[in-house]
Amino acid sequence: EVQLVESGGGLIQPGGSLRLSCAASGFTVSSNYMSWVRQAPGKGLEWVSVIYSGGSTYYADSVKGRFTISRDNSKNTLYLQMNSLRAEDTAVYYCARELYYDFWSAWDYWGQGTLVTVSS
Amino acid sequence: SSELTQDPAVSVALGQTVRITCQGDSLRSYYASWYQQKPGQAPVLVIYGKNNRPSGIPDRFSGSSSGNTASLTITGAQAEDEADYYCNSRDSSGNHLKVFGTGTKVTVL
Repeated sequence: EVQLVESGGGLIQPGGSLRLSCAASGFTVSSNYMSWVRQAPGKGLEWVSVIYSGGSTYYADSVKGRFTISRDNSKNTLYLQMNSLRAEDTAVYYCARELYYDFWSAWDYWGQGTLVTVSS
Repeated sequence: SSELTQDPAVSVALGQTVRITCQGDSLRSYYASWYQQKPGQAPVLVIYGKNNRPSGIPDRFSGSSSGNTASLTITGAQAEDEADYYCNSRDSSGNHLKVFGTGTKVTVL
């Protein structure tokens, strides 16, 4: 059974750092495309970042230069290192497995989400 | 980057048909995927590719596309279909980015 479990969220002051984890089971993280998607309270979904199976990484303009996506193959775990956090980064952060083909992509499995609150 | 626009809210009578639309330039190049999200829950994929449903998604959900518009149709809406629906596609600039639609709240009357 495929499962994704996020952890690491919490309350952090503006300018601080936090690392989110996403432990996967039922499939191999390093063989798949994996994304982080966030949702601010009462708002819509926002794609944050992706890491491809080959290791390439891409980021939304809103987090580029501040967030880093990575994975630990030995732990089958995805990470999101978040630095220089701002109030507008407050959101539930989801990790998701991405299916990727020529003319479409989609996230077929999602974690339950972890809440990050940036506030003084 | 690309933008995807959805109507904020639609309503449908129980058992009737509702179509949710998503407009954006990226949809001329890529198919949309569609997600259902209920309060306090993670999104669930309901349609991907040309018109594919993941295992476990009822066949009352279907997708279509024309020009810069993608549509999700629920034929015979049920009470449990009341939720927020989001479309998504790749950014058309070829920069590996992804974009979500603004979301549509579906109310089943």
